[in-house]
Amino acid sequence: EAGVAQSPRYKIIEKRQSVAFWCNPISGHATLYWYQQILGQGPKLLIQFQNNGVVDDSQLPKDRFSAERLKGVDSTLKIQPAKLEDSAVYLCASSGGGQGSGYTFGSGTRLTVV
Amino acid sequence: AQSVTQLGSHVSVSEGALVLLRCNYSSSVPPYLFWYVQYPNQGLQLLLKYTSAATLVKGINGFEAEFKKSETSFHLTKPSAHMSDAAEYFCAVSRWANQGGKLIFGQGTELSVKP
Repeated sequence: EAGVAQSPRYKIIEKRQSVAFWCNPISGHATLYWYQQILGQGPKLLIQFQNNGVVDDSQLPKDRFSAERLKGVDSTLKIQPAKLEDSAVYLCASSGGGQGSGYTFGSGTRLTVV
Repeated sequence: AQSVTQLGSHVSVSEGALVLLRCNYSSSVPPYLFWYVQYPNQGLQLLLKYTSAATLVKGINGFEAEFKKSETSFHLTKPSAHMSDAAEYFCAVSRWANQGGKLIFGQGTELSVKP
């Protein structure tokens, strides 16, 4: 099966600019996650979707970050305006459900804010 | 609340030596535990997972981990390190039923393998 697709792979922007990342999960996976991985740290969940509904966005900085999954398939994560501390790898993952079923991660988008 | 602590941010071993990466968890309910590996500029790849079946879990690439409830540990081992094992390793915990399956990760351990 095809993996989780993410684009772009790399992005460099200036602070206060906006940026968007795209994720296409594994076909049929109802649950989609966006994680932020700052250099030297473990990934941190930003938002979790179940189909097109938000399950958990408690760690999402809502003043600047937004995400949507309109048709319950692919998803977009946006940052507006970006700050220097947003420099990180943004990982998308999907899960087919079931307890302990695990997740499949995409290759991530490396964002550098200068 | 759940949490994961990985002891040692960097571990260095010689090729052919035993690999031991330590992970301790905190959870108020029976956890699901995972080990992931991340190669440079790549996403996370699942090595193995514990889902309340056998306490000794075998994964890919010769890795295995043992769930020890009394020690709240899930250490990752491999009998003989290869150069290709050099990567970042993450331990993660999930409490599927109550938290929708989100993974909580440790800080990661970078494994170096010396020739």
